[in-house]
Parts: sequence; C-alpha cells; structure tokens
Amino acid sequence: DIQMTQSPSSLSASVGDRVTITCRASQGIRNDLAWYQQKPGKAPKRLIYAATSLQSGVPSRFSGSGSGTEFTLTISSLQPEDFATYYCQHHNNYPLTFGGGTKVEIK
Amino acid sequence: QLLESGGALVQPGGSLRLSCAASGFTFSNYAMSWVRQAPGKVPEWVSSISGSGGSTYYADFVKGRFTISRDNSKNRLYLQMNSLRAEDTAVYYCAKTVVFDPWGQGTLVTVSS
Repeated sequence: DIQMTQSPSSLSASVGDRVTITCRASQGIRNDLAWYQQKPGKAPKRLIYAATSLQSGVPSRFSGSGSGTEFTLTISSLQPEDFATYYCQHHNNYPLTFGGGTKVEIK
Repeated sequence: QLLESGGALVQPGGSLRLSCAASGFTFSNYAMSWVRQAPGKVPEWVSSISGSGGSTYYADFVKGRFTISRDNSKNRLYLQMNSLRAEDTAVYYCAKTVVFDPWGQGTLVTVSS
C-alpha cells in the first residue's frame, strides 16, 4: 500500500500569510494526487486534481505542485475562509489513501 | 449532486444498506466510491466500482463484509454492510470517481449495543 505523509499536522498563520503544506508518497505516484479542504461538519471539497490542476470555482490563491513522491499545496495569501483542514489523497492504485491532514488555524 | 441515505444505529454483527442517489451527470459514465470518516479522524476510502459495475475494489478492512453495487437505470449507488463492528462507526460519503468530486453530505452509521 502507498502511504501518504503530510506535514505539518497543524500550523498557525495570519490572514495574508503564504502557507505551504507538503505531502510525500511512499513510492512514486506520477501526478495521481488530489488535495481537499474540509471545514467542520462538512464533506471534504476537492481543490486540486492531477497534482497541479485547479478545480473549477476554487480561488487562484490555491496552487499545487510536484510529481512522483513530493507534492505541495500552497495558499498564496491566506483568507479568513481558508481556515480548515487539508488532506492529500493519491489515486495511483488501490487502496486509495489519504494523508494525515493539516489543520490550518488562526494565529 | 449526490445524496446518501440509510445510515442508522445498528448493533455489532448487524447489517445495513446505504444508498446514494446521483443527479446532474451521466451516472453510468463514471466510477463511484464510498469514503468514510470516523469522528475526528482522517477520511478513509472504503470501496469503488466502475461505471459499468463490472469491476469493484475494497479496502482490506471491509473485504468480505461490505459489497458495493450500482443500478445505472436508477442512478443509484449502494453499499451493503454486513457483520458490522464498532470500528465501522463513521459518516459514510459517496463520491464521484476515485478523485472524489463531488461528495454527498454523508450519512451517519453508528455501530453500538
């Protein structure tokens, strides 16, 4: 099984900050990676697919990069509505697995 | 849109069938998945099924106990859950494809005596 390791597990940041979250795969997964945002009591929402493609309707301050085993989600200027938990997920093969999550909190 | 139903409180060893009604897209063209999330935990992929229904995939922790199926004439996805355990307690979501978008609102399954 492919393990997805996300870091950090949590971070505190201020509005306007640039935020970077990293996801590492235990083996190469090409660009078969998605990023999700989840707010309390809600289903996760896809932000990025194919590692770098922005989901329609998602603000352009979100971006994804990487390929193979190392991936990054960047929020260029953190907004109040971005405080949430973020997950990466690979779909290279079965079983599909998620990273452990990164909780972005207000500093 | 995806709308799950069927969640309930069930005793250990019991069974439950979840349903997901899909609309707004050509259902039979897409693989579908079930993902669950226990309270305060990371989402976990449970199962996926191809558009035709001919191929199914399961997480090891549900293999032999859960069965995914679909009725393309009714635009419905199902998850038959047998031999339920306390650790199966979670919100169960249906999601389109294996790159989960969109998700339904979820249905709560509680396994407890």
